[in-house]
Amino acid sequence: GAVVSQHPSWVICKSGTSVKIECRSLDFQATTMFWYRQFPKQSLMLMATSNEGSKATYEQGVEKDKFLINHASLTLSTLTVTSAHPEDSSFYICSASSIGLAGEETQYFGPGTRLLVL
Amino acid sequence: DAKTTQPTSMDCAEGRAANLPCNHSTISGNEYVYWYRQIHSQGPQYIIHGLKNNETNEMASLIITEDRKSSTLILPHATLRDTAVYYCIVRTGRRALTFGSGTRLQVQP
Repeated sequence: GAVVSQHPSWVICKSGTSVKIECRSLDFQATTMFWYRQFPKQSLMLMATSNEGSKATYEQGVEKDKFLINHASLTLSTLTVTSAHPEDSSFYICSASSIGLAGEETQYFGPGTRLLVL
Repeated sequence: DAKTTQPTSMDCAEGRAANLPCNHSTISGNEYVYWYRQIHSQGPQYIIHGLKNNETNEMASLIITEDRKSSTLILPHATLRDTAVYYCIVRTGRRALTFGSGTRLQVQP
């Protein structure tokens, strides 16, 4: 159980185009999903928190108009990188929260999407 | 969330137990200890979590000291596929995870 998928797994696009990444919780519902970014040889950095039915909360330094997040259902969140530039090339990873029997929350991660902007 | 301290790297022989320590001396009473690992070029994988009691699942065992100031993740029979960066994270509430540097475990053949 607790499987999270991402699509696509990798994408190459031209500078100036937009790219949409989907994150799905396959066997549980997630009111909260998170989007992270990871540059080579660095740790994961949180970009934004996505709550179902409401606006996402962005971390400082992350442009909300550039990284559009939509969490339209309890199993799907999307991240759209608008007007992508080479510096947006990175490994994008989502996670979805599952609530345990004791009320504790565990995050399960997707396999990641590698974006290369030419 | 409480700060954690982990060794930068460790080696382990294939087939032997890998014991990964984590220090979290400032942990508070309602904070859980979570372990994740990240194999190269993949998303982090949840391993195990616990509050006070020792926990075991099909992947690993988690030993938490009585004062909860430290814990050890045990991979009972390490394989080459267990080579990864292991993260110990202490947290409460429904917030994002904060990833430190973790421990780079290299399983040697």
